[in-house]
Amino acid sequence: KAGVTQTPRYLIKTRGQQVTLSCSPISGHRSVSWYQQTPGQGLQFLFEYFSETQRNKGNFPGRFSGRQFSNSRSEMNVSTLELGDSALYLCASSPDDRGWEGYTFGSGTRLTVV
Amino acid sequence: KQEVTQIPAALSVPEGENLVLNCSFTDSAIYNLQWFRQDPGKGLTSLLLIQSSQREQTSGRLNASLDKSSGRSTLYIAASQPGDSATYLCAVVDSWGKLQFGAGTQVVVTP
Repeated sequence: KAGVTQTPRYLIKTRGQQVTLSCSPISGHRSVSWYQQTPGQGLQFLFEYFSETQRNKGNFPGRFSGRQFSNSRSEMNVSTLELGDSALYLCASSPDDRGWEGYTFGSGTRLTVV
Repeated sequence: KQEVTQIPAALSVPEGENLVLNCSFTDSAIYNLQWFRQDPGKGLTSLLLIQSSQREQTSGRLNASLDKSSGRSTLYIAASQPGDSATYLCAVVDSWGKLQFGAGTQVVVTP
């Protein structure tokens, strides 16, 4: 059974550019969540999608957005990149919308903004 | 607002010793609690999931307990090995299904 797949694994972008990250959940999982991990702030929740609807959103500026497609794959977009956006972006999937069966994480996308 | 704390922040033990990692949370209205392991620069690997109606879960050398009323969970790793060196993260799932993470405990097991 394939795990959660995140692409690309590494990205280097310049300040002011925009970036799109992709997450393919485990087959049959309908919930996808996104997290940002930095040394200073730890793991912070960005947003969660279930059946193409955003259910929860963390405390991040509007430059961070996402969407989920009918096949449950999700994308996250960050516009007007800032140096502080450099982080490991992790996505997690779950079969249900409450995490009752727990979450499975992908390997992450390492974004470096220069 | 839910706050999750992990103590200690770092731990170094000789191989063969048992590890005890602590996690506390301020709001007992959690849906479940999940322990993860993270190796440097990698994603999170799920170790154990304890649903709110359970008090403990076991998998091999790992055992995790949950006491919702006191807002505590403990992860025990028996007979530690150098391969257990990693950062261990505890996360509670709130009623919205959102994971709230602690800052982690960095473990080093020396041969």
